Amino acid sequence: SAVISQKPSRDICQRGTSLTIQCQVDSQVTMMFWYRQQPGQSLTLIATANQGSEATYESGFVIDKFPISRPNLTFSTLTVSNMSPEDSSIYLCSGGVRHTDTQYFGPGTRLTVL
Amino acid sequence: GNSVTQMEGPVTLSEEAFLTINCTYTATGYPSLFWYVQYPGEGLQLLLKATKADDKGSNKGFEATYRKETTSFHLEKGSVQVSDSAVYFCALSEKRGADGLTFGKGTHLIIQP
Repeated sequence: SAVISQKPSRDICQRGTSLTIQCQVDSQVTMMFWYRQQPGQSLTLIATANQGSEATYESGFVIDKFPISRPNLTFSTLTVSNMSPEDSSIYLCSGGVRHTDTQYFGPGTRLTVL
Repeated sequence: GNSVTQMEGPVTLSEEAFLTINCTYTATGYPSLFWYVQYPGEGLQLLLKATKADDKGSNKGFEATYRKETTSFHLEKGSVQVSDSAVYFCALSEKRGADGLTFGKGTHLIIQP
């Protein structure tokens, strides 16, 4: 399996502020993705993080709200901008490992917006 | 687009009971199929997978068979334990893990002693 870490593990933020979440993966990972898990819900793909270029966003998610960077193969950030209480969720980073068809997930960042 | 439908819980069973969690999918091609598990207070873990029709994935006593004719990937276990209590997610990938996963809504399983 791949080792994927995220930080912070949790945060409580005020409405209107922004939070940047970091994800570090090991060298086996080629693809990186960001997901959101709203309370009591399933995981929804936000975007694919592309190395050195703009992320590819899924329908319903936009770059202005969720800017993503991936400056190198093993590191990515997701920013949740201008937060509202509706952004309270767990945000997860995942990595796809070369030749295995499998994605491994980080421990998640639990965000609460007041 | 792709979709995954799984039975919603909570599903409550007694220890040593037989478990089936149904999962069906809609996809344009021939996806890879996965079961992930989320234990209380822990992150999402891969439980098992199957990448082509008639493949059987297995792990920790759980099994699931990729049935193309019924577009299903039902999760089974012959004798559940209290430690199996968790949320189980069925998911698919169209591009062998090189794309984002499409998840079902999750099934909360509760095993009583």
